Amino acid sequence: DQQVKQNSPSLSVQEGRISILNCDYTNSMFDYFLWYKKYPAEGPTFLISISSIKDKNEDGRFTVFLNKSAKHLSLHIVPSQPGDSAVYFCAASLNTGNQFYFGTGTSLTVIP
Amino acid sequence: NAGVMQNPRHLVRRRGQEARLRCSPMKGHSHVYWYRQLPEEGLKFMVYLQKENIIDESGMPKERFSAEFPKEGPSILRIQQVVRGDSAAYFCASSAGLPHYGYTFGSGTRLTVV
Repeated sequence: DQQVKQNSPSLSVQEGRISILNCDYTNSMFDYFLWYKKYPAEGPTFLISISSIKDKNEDGRFTVFLNKSAKHLSLHIVPSQPGDSAVYFCAASLNTGNQFYFGTGTSLTVIP
Repeated sequence: NAGVMQNPRHLVRRRGQEARLRCSPMKGHSHVYWYRQLPEEGLKFMVYLQKENIIDESGMPKERFSAEFPKEGPSILRIQQVVRGDSAAYFCASSAGLPHYGYTFGSGTRLTVV
Protein backbone atom coordinates (compact mmCIF):
# COMPACT_ATOMS: atom_id res chain seq x y z
CA ASP A 1 0.00 0.00 0.00
CA GLN A 2 1.62 3.21 -1.23
CA GLN A 3 1.08 5.81 1.49
CA VAL A 4 3.00 8.52 -0.33
CA LYS A 5 2.23 9.10 -3.97
CA GLN A 6 3.81 11.14 -6.71
CA ASN A 7 1.45 10.87 -9.63
CA SER A 8 3.62 12.62 -12.19
CA PRO A 9 6.52 10.41 -13.25
CA SER A 10 8.13 13.21 -15.21
CA LEU A 11 8.10 16.97 -15.69
CA SER A 12 9.85 19.24 -18.19
CA VAL A 13 10.36 22.93 -17.54
CA GLN A 14 12.20 25.72 -19.34
CA GLU A 15 15.22 27.18 -17.61
CA GLY A 16 14.26 30.20 -15.53
CA ARG A 17 10.63 29.13 -15.10
CA ILE A 18 9.02 27.63 -12.03
CA SER A 19 9.03 23.87 -11.42
CA ILE A 20 6.20 22.51 -9.27
CA LEU A 21 6.44 18.94 -8.05
CA ASN A 22 3.48 17.42 -6.26
CA CYS A 23 3.06 14.75 -3.64
CA ASP A 24 -0.02 13.27 -1.95
CA TYR A 25 -0.20 11.12 1.15
CA THR A 26 -2.87 9.03 2.79
CA ASN A 27 -1.79 8.75 6.42
CA SER A 28 -2.99 11.75 8.43
CA MET A 29 -0.59 10.79 11.23
CA PHE A 30 2.48 11.75 9.20
CA ASP A 31 4.07 14.72 10.92
CA TYR A 32 7.28 15.36 9.01
CA PHE A 33 7.88 15.62 5.31
CA LEU A 34 11.05 15.83 3.26
CA TRP A 35 12.13 16.19 -0.34
CA TYR A 36 15.14 14.34 -1.65
CA LYS A 37 16.93 14.85 -4.93
CA LYS A 38 18.62 11.98 -6.73
CA TYR A 39 21.03 11.96 -9.64
CA PRO A 40 21.65 8.75 -11.61
CA ALA A 41 24.03 6.31 -9.91
CA GLU A 42 24.02 8.35 -6.70
CA GLY A 43 22.15 8.14 -3.44
CA PRO A 44 19.32 10.56 -2.61
CA THR A 45 20.42 13.84 -1.06
CA PHE A 46 18.31 15.83 1.35
CA LEU A 47 16.83 18.99 -0.11
CA ILE A 48 14.25 20.54 2.19
CA SER A 49 11.83 19.52 4.92
CA ILE A 50 8.68 20.71 6.63
CA SER A 51 7.00 19.90 9.90
CA SER A 52 3.26 19.37 10.05
CA ILE A 53 2.90 22.42 12.29
CA LYS A 54 3.91 24.63 9.37
CA ASP A 55 2.42 25.18 5.95
CA LYS A 56 5.46 26.62 4.20
CA ASN A 57 9.23 26.37 4.40
CA GLU A 58 11.61 28.23 2.14
CA ASP A 59 15.31 27.71 1.43
CA GLY A 60 16.74 29.79 -1.37
CA ARG A 61 15.16 28.76 -4.66
CA PHE A 62 13.27 25.90 -3.01
CA THR A 63 9.94 26.22 -1.19
CA VAL A 64 7.82 23.42 0.18
CA PHE A 65 4.11 23.92 0.81
CA LEU A 66 2.02 21.66 2.99
CA ASN A 67 -1.78 21.43 2.84
CA LYS A 68 -2.76 19.10 5.66
CA SER A 69 -6.48 19.13 4.95
CA ALA A 70 -5.81 17.96 1.40
CA LYS A 71 -2.93 15.71 2.46
CA HIS A 72 -0.85 17.32 -0.21
CA LEU A 73 2.57 18.86 -0.41
CA SER A 74 4.42 20.50 -3.22
CA LEU A 75 7.95 21.60 -3.99
CA HIS A 76 8.48 24.81 -5.91
CA ILE A 77 11.79 25.54 -7.57
CA VAL A 78 12.21 29.03 -8.93
CA PRO A 79 14.00 29.89 -11.06
CA SER A 80 14.69 26.40 -12.40
CA GLN A 81 18.23 25.66 -13.56
CA PRO A 82 19.58 22.84 -15.75
CA GLY A 83 21.48 21.47 -12.75
CA ASP A 84 18.12 20.86 -11.07
CA SER A 85 17.45 18.05 -13.55
CA ALA A 86 17.15 14.95 -11.35
CA VAL A 87 14.59 12.64 -9.79
CA TYR A 88 12.80 14.17 -6.82
CA PHE A 89 11.33 12.01 -4.08
CA CYS A 90 9.00 13.18 -1.37
CA ALA A 91 9.03 11.27 1.91
CA ALA A 92 7.03 11.31 5.12
CA SER A 93 7.54 10.03 8.61
CA LEU A 94 5.57 9.38 11.76
CA ASN A 95 6.67 11.02 14.99
CA THR A 96 7.12 7.64 16.62
CA GLY A 97 8.49 5.89 13.56
CA ASN A 98 11.93 4.80 12.48
CA GLN A 99 11.44 5.02 8.75
CA PHE A 100 10.53 7.31 5.93
CA TYR A 101 7.83 6.44 3.44
CA PHE A 102 8.90 7.44 -0.04
CA GLY A 103 6.95 8.32 -3.14
CA THR A 104 7.91 6.82 -6.48
CA GLY A 105 9.67 9.96 -7.66
CA THR A 106 9.25 12.61 -10.35
CA SER A 107 11.95 13.02 -12.96
CA LEU A 108 12.49 16.74 -13.58
CA THR A 109 14.17 17.94 -16.76
CA VAL A 110 15.07 21.60 -16.98
CA ILE A 111 15.58 22.59 -20.60
CA PRO A 112 18.27 25.23 -21.24
CA ASN B 1 34.76 13.75 6.39
CA ALA B 2 33.67 10.90 4.18
CA GLY B 3 29.99 10.36 3.68
CA VAL B 4 28.18 7.06 3.89
CA MET B 5 30.27 4.49 2.05
CA GLN B 6 28.69 1.51 0.38
CA ASN B 7 30.44 -1.29 -1.42
CA PRO B 8 30.42 -2.79 -3.82
CA ARG B 9 28.74 -0.30 -6.16
CA HIS B 10 27.68 -3.10 -8.46
CA LEU B 11 27.23 -6.76 -7.62
CA VAL B 12 26.26 -9.57 -9.97
CA ARG B 13 25.16 -12.87 -8.51
CA ARG B 14 23.76 -16.04 -10.03
CA ARG B 15 20.49 -17.37 -8.69
CA GLY B 16 21.08 -19.30 -5.49
CA GLN B 17 24.28 -17.48 -4.51
CA GLU B 18 24.70 -15.19 -1.53
CA ALA B 19 25.00 -11.42 -1.73
CA ARG B 20 26.74 -9.37 0.95
CA LEU B 21 26.34 -5.60 0.88
CA ARG B 22 28.44 -3.37 3.10
CA CYS B 23 27.77 0.05 4.57
CA SER B 24 30.07 2.25 6.61
CA PRO B 25 28.13 5.12 8.20
CA MET B 26 29.32 8.67 8.41
CA LYS B 27 31.80 9.36 11.18
CA GLY B 28 29.94 9.90 14.41
CA HIS B 29 26.74 8.25 13.19
CA SER B 30 25.60 5.20 15.11
CA HIS B 31 22.25 4.64 13.39
CA VAL B 32 22.07 2.76 10.09
CA TYR B 33 19.09 2.22 7.82
CA TRP B 34 18.75 0.02 4.76
CA TYR B 35 16.33 0.79 1.93
CA ARG B 36 15.64 -1.01 -1.30
CA GLN B 37 14.55 0.52 -4.60
CA LEU B 38 12.99 -1.85 -7.06
CA PRO B 39 12.76 -0.75 -10.71
CA GLU B 40 10.16 1.98 -11.26
CA GLU B 41 9.44 2.21 -7.53
CA GLY B 42 10.34 4.47 -4.63
CA LEU B 43 12.66 3.54 -1.81
CA LYS B 44 11.23 1.03 0.64
CA PHE B 45 12.44 0.75 4.23
CA MET B 46 13.99 -2.57 5.17
CA VAL B 47 15.74 -2.35 8.53
CA TYR B 48 17.07 0.06 11.16
CA LEU B 49 20.08 -0.85 13.27
CA GLN B 50 22.18 0.65 15.98
CA LYS B 51 25.51 -0.80 17.00
CA GLU B 52 24.98 -4.51 17.73
CA ASN B 53 21.19 -4.13 17.78
CA ILE B 54 18.38 -4.47 15.28
CA ILE B 55 15.86 -1.81 16.25
CA ASP B 56 13.23 -2.23 13.53
CA GLU B 57 13.21 -4.91 10.85
CA SER B 58 9.58 -4.52 9.87
CA GLY B 59 10.49 -4.02 6.21
CA MET B 60 12.73 -7.03 5.86
CA PRO B 61 11.48 -10.06 3.94
CA LYS B 62 10.95 -12.87 6.40
CA GLU B 63 13.29 -15.30 4.68
CA ARG B 64 16.77 -15.13 3.16
CA PHE B 65 17.47 -11.55 4.29
CA SER B 66 19.45 -10.58 7.37
CA ALA B 67 21.31 -7.51 8.59
CA GLU B 68 23.87 -6.77 11.23
CA PHE B 69 25.82 -3.81 12.53
CA PRO B 70 28.65 -5.16 14.65
CA LYS B 71 30.55 -3.25 17.30
CA GLU B 72 33.48 -2.97 14.90
CA GLY B 73 33.20 -2.71 11.16
CA PRO B 74 30.52 -1.89 8.65
CA SER B 75 26.88 -2.84 8.61
CA ILE B 76 26.18 -5.86 6.43
CA LEU B 77 23.01 -6.69 4.53
CA ARG B 78 23.06 -10.34 3.59
CA ILE B 79 20.81 -12.01 1.06
CA GLN B 80 20.99 -15.77 0.87
CA GLN B 81 19.96 -17.84 -2.16
CA VAL B 82 19.27 -14.79 -4.28
CA VAL B 83 16.45 -14.81 -6.82
CA ARG B 84 15.84 -12.57 -9.83
CA GLY B 85 13.31 -10.53 -7.84
CA ASP B 86 16.11 -9.42 -5.49
CA SER B 87 17.63 -7.36 -8.32
CA ALA B 88 17.41 -3.77 -7.09
CA ALA B 89 19.38 -0.83 -5.80
CA TYR B 90 20.08 -1.12 -2.08
CA PHE B 91 20.73 2.12 -0.25
CA CYS B 92 22.17 2.57 3.19
CA ALA B 93 21.68 5.72 5.24
CA SER B 94 23.03 6.86 8.56
CA SER B 95 22.14 9.40 11.19
CA ALA B 96 23.47 10.60 14.52
CA GLY B 97 20.14 10.21 16.24
CA LEU B 98 16.49 9.77 15.53
CA PRO B 99 15.73 9.89 11.82
CA HIS B 100 13.07 12.53 12.13
CA TYR B 101 15.15 15.19 10.46
CA GLY B 102 16.33 13.10 7.56
CA TYR B 103 19.53 11.22 7.09
CA THR B 104 22.46 10.86 4.74
CA PHE B 105 22.35 8.20 2.06
CA GLY B 106 25.19 6.32 0.46
CA SER B 107 25.48 5.90 -3.30
CA GLY B 108 23.91 2.47 -3.18
CA THR B 109 24.74 -1.04 -4.32
CA ARG B 110 23.08 -2.20 -7.51
CA LEU B 111 22.46 -5.92 -7.26
CA THR B 112 21.79 -7.86 -10.42
CA VAL B 113 20.78 -11.50 -10.19
CA VAL B 114 21.32 -13.48 -13.38
